[in-house]
Amino acid sequence: DADVTQTPRNRITKTGKRIMLECSQTKGHDRMYWYRQDPGLGLRLIYYSFDVKDINKGEISDGYSVSRQAQAKFSLSLESAIPNQTALYFCATSALTTGELFFGEGSRLTVL
Amino acid sequence: SQQGEEDPQALSIQEGENATMNCSYKTSINNLQWYRQNSGRGLVHLILIRSNEREKHSGRLRVTLDTSKKSSSLLITASRAADTASYFCATVSAGGGADGLTFGKGTHLIIQP
Repeated sequence: DADVTQTPRNRITKTGKRIMLECSQTKGHDRMYWYRQDPGLGLRLIYYSFDVKDINKGEISDGYSVSRQAQAKFSLSLESAIPNQTALYFCATSALTTGELFFGEGSRLTVL
Repeated sequence: SQQGEEDPQALSIQEGENATMNCSYKTSINNLQWYRQNSGRGLVHLILIRSNEREKHSGRLRVTLDTSKKSSSLLITASRAADTASYFCATVSAGGGADGLTFGKGTHLIIQP
């Protein structure tokens, strides 16, 4: 089984719908991150969390919210999806703030 | 905003040749990391080089870091078709990287068999 699991892997939805992307990890890491990847733009940080009670906004948090339900679970929500949120979303974990990231396989979201 | 910028954006070489990718960044760093991404998959960590290191090796990978020029290079020797992927550099700020890694836009490498 993968160390970092994202669900769903693919989702097509309509403008205005609420969407939740889920991430769970078995690595025992405290630090979890949500990134967004767009073609030609690399990865951009949406939100990050250092423990259940610690949530921080990243570079592009507008239009998104997160929930850290447990050390192992970190969910990303789009309250009212819009087409320019169509992207590939990655969850990642790390043991140290300066250490390597371990990525999930990604969730491809299409907003029509 | 992007911290690292990879160069070139795309690179196509013959199998067996060496591939070199470069990364430039803007602010002081704690470390710089290189990641690989196969099409549509998650990123995989390749190598980390700290700001006080100048060169690091891992198998067929060689990474150099020049903090005075704020640049790094990734060399893949004796390339294989399976090396076809996108390669990203990512930096951890000198402040400790509390806000995670900052990624560049990547170099798409194609190895022609």
